[in-house]
Amino acid sequence: EPEVTQTPSHQVTQMGQEVILRCVPISNHLYFYWYRQILGQKVEFLVSFYNNEISEKSEIFDDQFSVERPDGSNFTLKIRSTKLEDSAMYFCASHHGRDRNIEQFFGPGTRLTVL
Amino acid sequence: AQTVTQSQPEMSVQEAETVTLSCTYDTSENNYYLFWYKQPPSRQMILVIRQEAYKQQNATENRFSVNFQKAAKSFSLKISDSQLGDTAMYFCPPAPLSGDKLTFGTGTRLAVRP
Repeated sequence: EPEVTQTPSHQVTQMGQEVILRCVPISNHLYFYWYRQILGQKVEFLVSFYNNEISEKSEIFDDQFSVERPDGSNFTLKIRSTKLEDSAMYFCASHHGRDRNIEQFFGPGTRLTVL
Repeated sequence: AQTVTQSQPEMSVQEAETVTLSCTYDTSENNYYLFWYKQPPSRQMILVIRQEAYKQQNATENRFSVNFQKAAKSFSLKISDSQLGDTAMYFCPPAPLSGDKLTFGTGTRLAVRP
């Protein structure tokens, strides 16, 4: 069964460093998302991506964040200069978008720890 | 804009018994989907069941069923014959037909006791 994959599963970084979180959505999906979940808190939307551009972003998604789909399969989230408060689980999700198939399939998440 | 309220932060049920998790929501959309996702300790988000708001019939999926009350904007999840593997956080985000972002509530933490 197709699934969304994410790498790495756990990333530890120093404050101020750049990190890139990688996701491979399900191959025929058209809509892509990043969410994050700070430990003990609810899941928060970061950004949605369709047709090679951002379709919506939240207040959290400031200039430190960027997304890219560089090669038609990977979908990456870059944080340019990490802060302590960026420590969280980051989930990638995708859905097909056609024929009302809009349930989002989530990846296993990347745990980001900023020291 | 969408909001979700899950009024039960924690629930506990004996294995093999039935439990109902409540969810109310607000949305400006007329047509939308509702989902129940579970997040076990591994923290992966897994779809449990979905309901299309334009359908009156409540969705069922094996041991999982929903009670959807559109006018009341209520969408509860019933888990029958609870199993230890049902132990997880449960979320009920709505989604418009355009496939917009999911809005998550605070979730309900369900513990199934052996």
